[in-house]
Amino acid sequence: EAQVTQNPRYLITVTGKKLTVTCSQNMNHEYMSWYRQDPGLGLRQIYYSMNVEVTDKGDVPEGYKVSRKEKRNFPLILESPSPNQTSLYFCASSLRLGLGYEQYFGPGTRLTVT
Amino acid sequence: RKEVEQDPGPFNVPEGATVAFNCTYSNSASQSFFWYRQDCRKEPKLLMSVYSSGNEDGRFTAQLNRASQYISLLIRDSKLSDSATYLCVVNDDYKLSFGAGTTVTVRA
Repeated sequence: EAQVTQNPRYLITVTGKKLTVTCSQNMNHEYMSWYRQDPGLGLRQIYYSMNVEVTDKGDVPEGYKVSRKEKRNFPLILESPSPNQTSLYFCASSLRLGLGYEQYFGPGTRLTVT
Repeated sequence: RKEVEQDPGPFNVPEGATVAFNCTYSNSASQSFFWYRQDCRKEPKLLMSVYSSGNEDGRFTAQLNRASQYISLLIRDSKLSDSATYLCVVNDDYKLSFGAGTTVTVRA
């Protein structure tokens, strides 16, 4: 089954404790992206990757890191989480970007930082 | 100014009604446009791409107005299952910008 998986789905952590949210897709997609969703603000792009070893900042990259060592995986790293990073996070992938290319989203990771 | 703006609603409509709403975008060079649907904080899913000439998919019609920089979505013969938040998405180069969403509630 074609899908994007994220782990963990739910996470409660404390300020400053490094964490990684994994994202994996099995569709051989080139483009992958991370978003956070907060009430009233919609989805905001954190980082994106056009292909292996090619990553770039989105609108809200501060406090996050990513890597794209393999085509299928695009982990999101929070080196020192803070309470303002409490949010719902989505990973997404698409074959490429543009009209006619659908973004497939993972199920989301609900992160709480206390 | 936000890159993509939507009326948050909610639009409360009876079954069978027609509902329509718009989304405005700020970058005149934006290249492609989409409507996604999101159910109750689940993952968004593509509803339809929006083509320059406008396009229809069953009960859903999307229009693009480049001169005024907005896209629209019209839902005909609303069903209970159409209750969701509809996200407007704009593609600029390698970036996707999402609106905050328009909530539609269809009542029996």
